[in-house]
Amino acid sequence: SQKIEQNSEALNIQEGKTATLTCNYTNYSPAYLQWYRQDPGRGPVFLLLIRENEKEKRKERLKVTFDTTLKQSLFHITASQPADSATYLCAVELTGGGNKLTFGTGTQLKVEL
Amino acid sequence: GAVVSQHPSRVICKSGTSVKIECRSLDFQATTMFWYRQFPKQSLMLMATSNEGSKATYEQGVEKDKFLINHASLTLSTLTVTSAHPEDSSFYICSATLAGSYAGELFFGEGSRLTVL
Repeated sequence: SQKIEQNSEALNIQEGKTATLTCNYTNYSPAYLQWYRQDPGRGPVFLLLIRENEKEKRKERLKVTFDTTLKQSLFHITASQPADSATYLCAVELTGGGNKLTFGTGTQLKVEL
Repeated sequence: GAVVSQHPSRVICKSGTSVKIECRSLDFQATTMFWYRQFPKQSLMLMATSNEGSKATYEQGVEKDKFLINHASLTLSTLTVTSAHPEDSSFYICSATLAGSYAGELFFGEGSRLTVL
């Protein structure tokens, strides 16, 4: 069955360091992959989208890579700040399309002073 | 970016009652909206796809008679949890895509936390 996996353990890093989060998928060949941020008790907020023919995408301090051979996406936050603390979700479109996304369980990031 | 508003943000109800949650796209028309449910420490689970002017499409395992979805206009979709029970307590989130969006990045509402006593 199709599955998206993110590290369920929280990631604690020091302010200023680069945070790297991983998203692995199986039994998928997604045309694109998306990353969202979710704060406690709030709806997710779209961050970045990367297509299968793109190796890397950047937006300000964010960088996403997409390795279709490894079936993996990495999400990087450089020069991390306490305000970056949140849960980060990756998502891919379900087979059959229609813009229906399936989400990973998310990884909680905590940036400490 | 596109704004999606949900109401109410929190609702507490007694077991057996019905609860309606509204989802509005404030600055764009959404022909399709999606309803998700999220239990604590778990990911978002897609419940149904709401299409304006037609019946909603439900995911496997979601009871369409229990979770009534109405998408009467291009800016409003409603989810009614009928005869709610404690196990229906969850965080319900709606989302929408912009028409013409290639890859369908979703714009989410703030979510509605339902607690059934």
